[in-house]
Amino acid sequence: DAKTTQPNSMESNEEEPVHLPCNHSTISGTDYIHWYRQLPSQGPEYVIHGLTSNVNNRMASLAIAEDRKSSTLILHRATLRDAAVYYCIQDSNYQLIWGAGTKLIIKP
Amino acid sequence: GAVVSQHPSRVICKSGTSVKIECRSLDFQATTMFWYRQFPKQSLMLMATSNEGSKATYEQGVEKDKFLINHASLTLSTLTVTSAHPEDSSFYICSARDSQAPYEQYFGPGTRLTVT
Repeated sequence: DAKTTQPNSMESNEEEPVHLPCNHSTISGTDYIHWYRQLPSQGPEYVIHGLTSNVNNRMASLAIAEDRKSSTLILHRATLRDAAVYYCIQDSNYQLIWGAGTKLIIKP
Repeated sequence: GAVVSQHPSRVICKSGTSVKIECRSLDFQATTMFWYRQFPKQSLMLMATSNEGSKATYEQGVEKDKFLINHASLTLSTLTVTSAHPEDSSFYICSARDSQAPYEQYFGPGTRLTVT
């Protein structure tokens, strides 16, 4: 079964960069990598997605390994509002396969 | 950005009754919508894929007669939990794919169902 693996939790200081890793060793050539984040009792919020090349948007950057078996979500300057559970997801034929997520704790 | 709404946001019902949850794409058309269930401190679990005008595709272990899905229009899908039991209490989340941009999936705010 396709599956992503992430650390259960990570801590970071406010206003510092955060690197959230994800392994997706079973990914196939056409599967996109998505990142969503979720606050308690809310629906997931889209963060970023990519296929092979590194991607940047106003929220974050996504660095994808050359073999595509891993990726890293980069928050350039974390704020307290970035505290959430971050999910790394394989998009397999338009179906999202969710991992367990990383709980990101931001320390003021 | 695209918006997906869910109604109700919270519902409490008695055991044995049925509850309907609506999922609407407000500013785009969605030929495909997804229904998820999330238990506390766990990830989202896909229950079913709903395609407009056709029968939903259910994931293994999800009872299609208990969780009735209807996707009658390009902007509305409904999930009905029939004969609800306390173990059905959960956070139900829908998502919708924009027909014009299928790689983007937008999530609703979720519905908290409590069965007493």
